[in-house]
Amino acid sequence: KAGVTQTPRYLIKTRGQQVTLSCSPISGHRSVSWYQQTPGQGLQFLFEYFSETQRNKGNFPGRFSGRQFSNSRSEMNVSTLELGDSALYLCASSKGRGAETQYFGPGTRLLVL
Amino acid sequence: AQRVTQPEKLLSVFKGAPVELKCNYSYSGSPELFWYVQYSRQRLQLLLRHISRESIKGFTADLNKGETSFHLKKPFAQEEDSAMYYCALSYPITYNNTNAGKSTFGDGTTLTVKP
Repeated sequence: KAGVTQTPRYLIKTRGQQVTLSCSPISGHRSVSWYQQTPGQGLQFLFEYFSETQRNKGNFPGRFSGRQFSNSRSEMNVSTLELGDSALYLCASSKGRGAETQYFGPGTRLLVL
Repeated sequence: AQRVTQPEKLLSVFKGAPVELKCNYSYSGSPELFWYVQYSRQRLQLLLRHISRESIKGFTADLNKGETSFHLKKPFAQEEDSAMYYCALSYPITYNNTNAGKSTFGDGTTLTVKP
């Protein structure tokens, strides 16, 4: 089975721009979660999607949004980028919701200048 | 609010020595506990989870509900165990559980096993 894939792998943007990151889960997995990983804050939960609906959300401003498509692929969008948004964004998929094992992608490294 | 604490950012042991990575959590309800590991240049992956009670690569973790701890242990560390370890907490899907689907990770412990 192919693992979780994320595109692009690296991204450089400037303040004020917006960015869209993509995640393709493992085939058959219906839940996708997004995390922000930074050296100072560790892994912070952004949101979880299941059956094209956002089911849970972390403590991030409304500039962070996402969606999930009928094939379970997910995108996250960050608008009006700030310097502090520079981070590794990880996507994880699982078969279902709740206390399931998560399978992580390689991440998208975003640098905001 | 759910919280996971890994008190050691860095841990260094010699090959063959026992190793224990600490994890404490705060919760309301019955969460599931996990240990994830990230080796150099690899993606984050599951090491073990409480419910399966497996021993993976010689690691075990015991859930102590009284102390709300889920420490990771290995009796004889190997150099290939050098990695970043994350303790994580997730909630099962139950009625009226607003935390269902949300996972909380600790800040991680970098383990270095010296030859």
